[in-house]
Formats: sequence, C-alpha cells, structure tokens
Amino acid sequence: EVQLVESGGGLVKPGGSLRLSCGASRFTFSTYTMAWVRQAPGKGLECVSSIISSSNYIYYADSVKGRFTLSRDNAKNSVYLQMNSLRAEDTALYYCARELRVGPLTTGAFDLWGQGTMVTVSS
Amino acid sequence: SYELTQPPSVSVSPGQMASMSCSGDKLGDKYCCWYQKKPGQAPVLVIYQDTKRPSGIPERFSGSNSGNTATLTISGTQAMDEADYYCQAWDSSTGVFGGGTRLTVL
Repeated sequence: EVQLVESGGGLVKPGGSLRLSCGASRFTFSTYTMAWVRQAPGKGLECVSSIISSSNYIYYADSVKGRFTLSRDNAKNSVYLQMNSLRAEDTALYYCARELRVGPLTTGAFDLWGQGTMVTVSS
Repeated sequence: SYELTQPPSVSVSPGQMASMSCSGDKLGDKYCCWYQKKPGQAPVLVIYQDTKRPSGIPERFSGSNSGNTATLTISGTQAMDEADYYCQAWDSSTGVFGGGTRLTVL
C-alpha cells in the first residue's frame, strides 16, 4: 500500500528537542517533494517545511525558521524534521505529506498524507 | 506575508449546492487547491490546480479561481461531506493555507 508513516512525537518541555521521522512505502520516494504540515488543537493547517527531491531547496515557515531543520534520506525513503528550542505554540499534530506530481510536473498540492504524530510542548 | 481568507462556516441542506470562498491578493494568478478535513482523519485533497479532481474524488466537487477569489463548490451535498475545508496556494515558495471553512449539512 502506498503510505506515509510518521513517528517521533511526544511530550517535551519548552526549550527541548524532538526529531520526527516519516517513512514512505510503495512509491518512488526520491522523485517527490515532501513536506510537514501541522495542526494545533482547534486550529487550522500550517505548512511548516518542505524539501524538494534533491534536497537542494528547503522551505521553512517563519514561525519555525532557525529552530527546525528538515532533511531526507532517499536511500531510506525517509524524511526527518529536527525540532529544537520548542515552544508551547509548537504543540500540534504533525503530518507528513507528499506533493502531487502529474507526470514530471509538480502541482503544489499534497495528495498523500500520513496519520500524523502528536507533539506536545509543556512543562 | 501572504494570506488566504475563508469564511468560518457555511451551512447547506442535503442535496443542495454548497459554495465556499478563498480570498487572497491576485490568487487567480496562482494555482489553488482544496482539502477536506474530518476530525481524527488526515486531510484529503479534493481539488488541485484550481479545477482538477484527484482520482477517487466524486464529480460533485468542483473548483474555480479568478481574480482574488477561488471557490469550491459541492453540488448535491451529502451528509458525508460535512467537514472542514481548507484552501492552499504557494507564494514566494511559501505554502499557505486558509483558515478553513466548516461545512455543516443540516
């Protein structure tokens, strides 16, 4: 089955760190742009970070720039989000998502999502 | 920073047409997509590149985008369509979501 599976969430104190992982199955992971999208409790969706297939370009939302680092390992079909200096406002369900491609062209839309991993930042 | 604005809620009777808007500066010059989000479930892409439906999305879902406004329309709305709907576009390599519209099927 084509799927994304996130892991690594948990409870962490303010100022702490977590590393989220997302494993991909049954598609050519190395050719896709991947992203992390989060949803804080009772709030909307926010695109946190994205990385193109070659890792040559990585985007960060202003809210996490300088604190989060996104990377990928195409040999392991995985993408990682290193989160440092965590704040209470980072508390959210973090989804891994794949950008839809139509042939060789990207679309800017996310067509495959994992079930999410919860990050809670609290003392 | 770029912003997308959606009405907080829309109500519709079963079988009727539901429309929800997404507004942003010169949004029509960008591609817009739409997601359906139900509680406890991951988002589902229902429209991409303004008007296209992914495989498996019912024909009753349609989209348009012109000027400063993109619109998601659900014709013949069913109870199963009750959900939050989010628009999304890219601006200066930044992925931006609207705040979401809760669709209630009364």
